[in-house]
Amino acid sequence: DTAVSQTPKYLVTQMGNDKSIKCEQNLGHDTMYWYKQDSKKFLKIMFSYNNKELIINETVPNRFSPKSPDKAHLNLHINSLELGDSAVYFCASSQDRDAFFGQGTRLTVV
Amino acid sequence: GENVEQHPSTLSVQEGDSAVIKCTYSDSASNYFPWYKQELGKRPQLIIDIRSNVGEKKDQRIAVTLNKTAKHFSLHITETQPEDSAVYFCAALNTGNQFYFGTGTSLTVIP
Repeated sequence: DTAVSQTPKYLVTQMGNDKSIKCEQNLGHDTMYWYKQDSKKFLKIMFSYNNKELIINETVPNRFSPKSPDKAHLNLHINSLELGDSAVYFCASSQDRDAFFGQGTRLTVV
Repeated sequence: GENVEQHPSTLSVQEGDSAVIKCTYSDSASNYFPWYKQELGKRPQLIIDIRSNVGEKKDQRIAVTLNKTAKHFSLHITETQPEDSAVYFCAALNTGNQFYFGTGTSLTVIP
């Protein structure tokens, strides 16, 4: 059983498009996250979501929006994609300790 | 928010030698410090962690030390092996329940 799963694994799309990445965790964790890993391997937190409380990193453009239909899901919607959005996006979940990561979604904007 | 700095960014060691990676954090209220290993093309995975009420923790060849006063913590890998080659990230969990990661250390173990 995969603890944190995200889809798709690869996503190639054109500039200006809108896309979504889905994330589901079956660990019963209260907190879910989205991280962006750029070409330099930096892991930057984008959002955290805990008990309907959303904390947004102030550097994230408002083209990015997380949506959580329930505690086990935190999807990422991206509007008007730009070249600089190309990166690997990781979903993660935690319960008061270490974060479990999904396998990542490699987004390429062309 | 929290600010985590990590050094060095790259590290090469001979097989069998030790490797040390150091991190500092800014938020004195952060209370949990995990270390992650990320192999090429894979997800980050937890290898060891330490809470703020503990000064040192060891798990076989891996150990972590924490100095709360100085706000720094370190990862020590002894008797390194080629399979230890990966990118290592330190992280700090702040009171907002957010994990802030260091910038990563690319470790290469030379056979």
